[in-house]
Amino acid sequence: QVQLVQSGAEVKKPGAAVTVTCKTAGYTFTNHAIHWVRQAPGQRLEWMGWINTGTGHREYAQKFQGRVTITSDTSASTVYMELSSLTSEDTAVYFCARDESLTNDYWGQGTLVTVSS
Amino acid sequence: EIVLTQSPATLSLSPGERATLSCGASQSVSSSYLAWYQQKPGQAPRLLIYGASSRATGIPDRFSGSGSGTDFTLTISRLEPEDFAVYYCQQYGSSPRTFGQGTKVEIK
Repeated sequence: QVQLVQSGAEVKKPGAAVTVTCKTAGYTFTNHAIHWVRQAPGQRLEWMGWINTGTGHREYAQKFQGRVTITSDTSASTVYMELSSLTSEDTAVYFCARDESLTNDYWGQGTLVTVSS
Repeated sequence: EIVLTQSPATLSLSPGERATLSCGASQSVSSSYLAWYQQKPGQAPRLLIYGASSRATGIPDRFSGSGSGTDFTLTISRLEPEDFAVYYCQQYGSSPRTFGQGTKVEIK
């Protein structure tokens, strides 16, 4: 069955960078893009960007341009999301989600990133 | 950026009752690229509806979506105990994709 398994919780200091991993299984990796969405405490879901795992094409929300990098490793069926220059406002649960006809049909379990001095 | 506004913020209903959730967009959502997700505490969102009115795989037929342009509705015909959760609408027709602020359906 389709699975997206994310890496564990992280605690980072302000100014640092974090990388969250999304390991996929149960489908052909290059047939579905992967999106990243985050949810700060008590806030709405926020789309960060996506990667076409077949071509490598990426698109980022303007809000995160210059701070976020999404990459993929086809041999490992894994997608990575790196967010740099962290501040307390980046404290959130980060989700990866599979693209199916532009919607997100399968999601990872979420990774809590806490930014604190 | 398309801003989505959901109403009401909270809906207090009893099991068996009908729930009607609204999602308004600041601009027309192209090709009805509007989805609805259900989220329970500590869980990832679950896709319910895509294309404004198509149910995702495995979603019970008590969930239905309607609307076009700037006004969309999610209806749950008869609430089951497992339906009490937060519901988000999302537009995916233009970048950046955006979500509404959510409607919490709670037990009355």
